[in-house]
Order: sequence, then C-alpha cells, then structure tokens
Amino acid sequence: GAGVSQSPSNKVTEKGKDVELRCDPISGHTALYWYRQSLGQGLEFLIYFQGNSAPDKSGLPSDRFSAERTGGSVSTLTIQRTQQEDSAVYLCASSFTSPRTFSGGNQETQYFGPGTRLLVL
Amino acid sequence: AQSVAQPEDQVNVAEGNPLTVKCTYSVSGNPYLFWYVQYPNRGLQFLLKYITGDNLVKGSYGFEAEFNKSQTSFHLKKPSALVSDSALYFCAVRALTGRRALTFGSGTRLQVQP
Repeated sequence: GAGVSQSPSNKVTEKGKDVELRCDPISGHTALYWYRQSLGQGLEFLIYFQGNSAPDKSGLPSDRFSAERTGGSVSTLTIQRTQQEDSAVYLCASSFTSPRTFSGGNQETQYFGPGTRLLVL
Repeated sequence: AQSVAQPEDQVNVAEGNPLTVKCTYSVSGNPYLFWYVQYPNRGLQFLLKYITGDNLVKGSYGFEAEFNKSQTSFHLKKPSALVSDSALYFCAVRALTGRRALTFGSGTRLQVQP
C-alpha cells in the first residue's frame, strides 16, 4: 500500500520567508509525527498529533514553527521568517496508535516519509 | 529524560562477515526500542523493534537485535553482511509510558566492503 508521502521533496527559500511543508500519512494511521534531521543536531522530535487530542508541541524549537493536522489526516508544518539554521531535512512519520499510553503489538511502529530537504539561503 | 548512545560513527566490515552495530539507551521504566536504516537521500526504513517477550528480535533483511536489560543495550546484528547493507543505521527508544516521540541515537554508518 501507499506509504507516507511528503511534499515538496526539496525547497530552497530566502532568509525571512515563510515555508509550508506537507505530509500525507498512511491511510488509517491515527498518529502523526514531525522530526527534523540536521547535521549538527541529528534527528530531533518536533511535534506529535494523536487523533483529536491536543498535539504534543514540546519539541518545537521556537514560536516560528507551527503545525496543524486537518481532518485527522494531512498535516502542514509551517516555518515563519525562516533562518539559515532552519536548513535541514524535515521528516514526517505516522503510526496506528491507540489513545492509551501503551498499545503494543503492531501498533506504535512509526513509518517515515522520504522527507523534505529545506535550504534557507 | 531518555537518551540513546551509538558509540561508533562508522563500522567497517567485509562482505560475508558478521556485523554488529552497537546501541545503549537510558529511559525511565521499560523501554520500547527500534532500529531504522537510512539509505542516501531517503527517509528512515523500519528494521525491527523490541516491546516485550523474547530478548532476541528478528527483523527485515536478515537483521536481528538482542535486548539486554542489565546492560541497557540493544545491539543490531547480522550473521553475514552484504554490500547492499551499507547505509546509516539509527537506534531509537521511547518509554512504554510517557511521551510517544522517539529519541534517536546519532547514527552509525555501516560500510560493507566487497
């Protein structure tokens, strides 16, 4: 079946501009995650959505970063007033996860998209 | 706070030889452990995970990993390496209770020489 898709695959922008990154999760997956992969910081968590619950925003590095998930499916990560240090690969993942803290089994495995490579000039 | 250590930036092994990629973790309570592989310009591909049960977990492409609670380790292994196994490998952890987001190690580049 179709995996997680992300668009655009590459984005070059000028410092100070806003960018929007899109993620389409695997159909039926209830949880969606955004991570950032950069040379200096490795893979770091940004934000997590689970169903209709309030998102876990604890990983967002500044208030220039925001994300939304419409209709429990597609998600958009927005970076306002981009800075050069925002340059990274932004990875989206989804999983089928119950609202309970631990669900085990085949749930919980996060499946990743190919990422969006962002370059801020 | 939870953390993952992958002590080797790079592992070199000859094709046909066994390989081990090391991972140790720190987490409050019982861990949920994962291995992912990343090929150039690609996203992360899931290899295997440990939740509960047998300490030896078998995954995709002939990889396996052994959970060792006393040593807080989850080393990735394969009995016979292939050149096509050359890639970047990430170990990740989360606690069974608490934040669902994964904490990743810094990654280990595996280079398999023909």
